Amino acid sequence: GQQLNQSPQSMFIQEGEDVSMNCTSSSIFNTWLWYKQDPGEGPVLLIALYKAGELTSNGRLTAQFGITRKDSFLNISASIPSDVGIYFCAGSYYNNDMRFGAGTRLTVKP
Amino acid sequence: ETGVTQTPRHLVMGMTNKKSLKCEQHLGHNAMYWYKQSAKKPLELMFVYSLEERVENNSVPSRFSPECPNSSHLFLHLHTLQPEDSALYLCASSQDGNVHDFGPGTRLTVL
Repeated sequence: GQQLNQSPQSMFIQEGEDVSMNCTSSSIFNTWLWYKQDPGEGPVLLIALYKAGELTSNGRLTAQFGITRKDSFLNISASIPSDVGIYFCAGSYYNNDMRFGAGTRLTVKP
Repeated sequence: ETGVTQTPRHLVMGMTNKKSLKCEQHLGHNAMYWYKQSAKKPLELMFVYSLEERVENNSVPSRFSPECPNSSHLFLHLHTLQPEDSALYLCASSQDGNVHDFGPGTRLTVL
């Protein structure tokens, strides 16, 4: 089945720094999603991507759907303490079998 | 209530207990899901219900039993669980399998 590799597993950064994380798949997807999970809560959708090459922003967050349809990245600019949490990528092919990455745990030091 | 709600938020149970997790979605979605989240592992899909019919069961042990009485409610009945079943259990809903809206989860501890 489709496997999602998400990296890095964890990041420790200073407040104000930019962050980049990515996901790669062994198969093509037609939907890429990025979620954030705060401690003790469920994942919350940050950005949804539906077209190869698509670049979408949500405030300080920017995500791109890779041209090959097998990868996606998420960038966070000028990180702040409330960016702390676990970020998950997810992908699916025509709404079947949504797959999730293992997550990137982000720590922001003030 | 809005979005997806789950109760209880925390549950501690012994291996011989029977308990149930409840999920309710207020989004008018037609699909609901149970996921298991263990530390440092990808979300594991357990069950999918589409239009109230179970469409997927990913080799989940029979000690987990789902129930979907209508499109807004989903239950996970638990019986004779093992300590390795301790995890965060997440419910989600979607429209036609698209973007998942997740509930806050139930943190389950099996003693």
